[in-house]
Amino acid sequence: AQKVTQAQTEISVVEKEDVTLDCVYETRDTTYYLFWYKQPPSGELVFLIRRNSFDEQNEISGRYSWNFQKSTSSFNFTITASQVVDSAVYFCALRQNTGFQKLVFGTGTRLLVSP
Amino acid sequence: KAGVTQTPRYLIKTRGQQVTLSCSPISGHRSVSWYQQTPGQGLQFLFEYFSETQRNKGNFPGRFSGRQFSNSRSEMNVSTLELGDSALYLCASSQSTTSNEQFFGPGTRLTVL
Repeated sequence: AQKVTQAQTEISVVEKEDVTLDCVYETRDTTYYLFWYKQPPSGELVFLIRRNSFDEQNEISGRYSWNFQKSTSSFNFTITASQVVDSAVYFCALRQNTGFQKLVFGTGTRLLVSP
Repeated sequence: KAGVTQTPRYLIKTRGQQVTLSCSPISGHRSVSWYQQTPGQGLQFLFEYFSETQRNKGNFPGRFSGRQFSNSRSEMNVSTLELGDSALYLCASSQSTTSNEQFFGPGTRLTVL
């Protein structure tokens, strides 16, 4: 069975601080995809980043970066120089590489960025 | 290019009633998935449709059903509503079953009284 754990329920930071959101996953599949989504108060889930299981290269995209470590089944997400507009709930998700679109989500981490 | 649209955005029903929610995917997208989001259970997968066929179903009772039309628009139906069905229902579309990106709509917030 697949499972995604986001142990941090809520994080509060002050603007311009860096913040890392943790994600640990469980799967028996050898190939899979990992995602981060952002959910602002409007409710719509906004896609942020994707990583497949056979590419452990960590990247930076603007203020976003991620650290994928297959050995520890972790897929952490960092926002550099946080802004008030980053305040939202962030979800980590897992998808099998089987041709199905089903996403298994973590419970989410609420990020509050204050000015 | 228009995004995923869901109608209605808000809905209030009473126990025992039934409800139909609609989702129009991004133009050209043929795969539609539905998710239920509640404070207690989080985001849970309901169904996935492609070319008018249900390809995958989550662990929900038979009161939850859905379908997809030839234009890729999808509807989900919940019969005999219960208080616990109150949730945000999110629809996601992707180009195909193997696409690596799903785009979500704004959701339909259902309240059951």
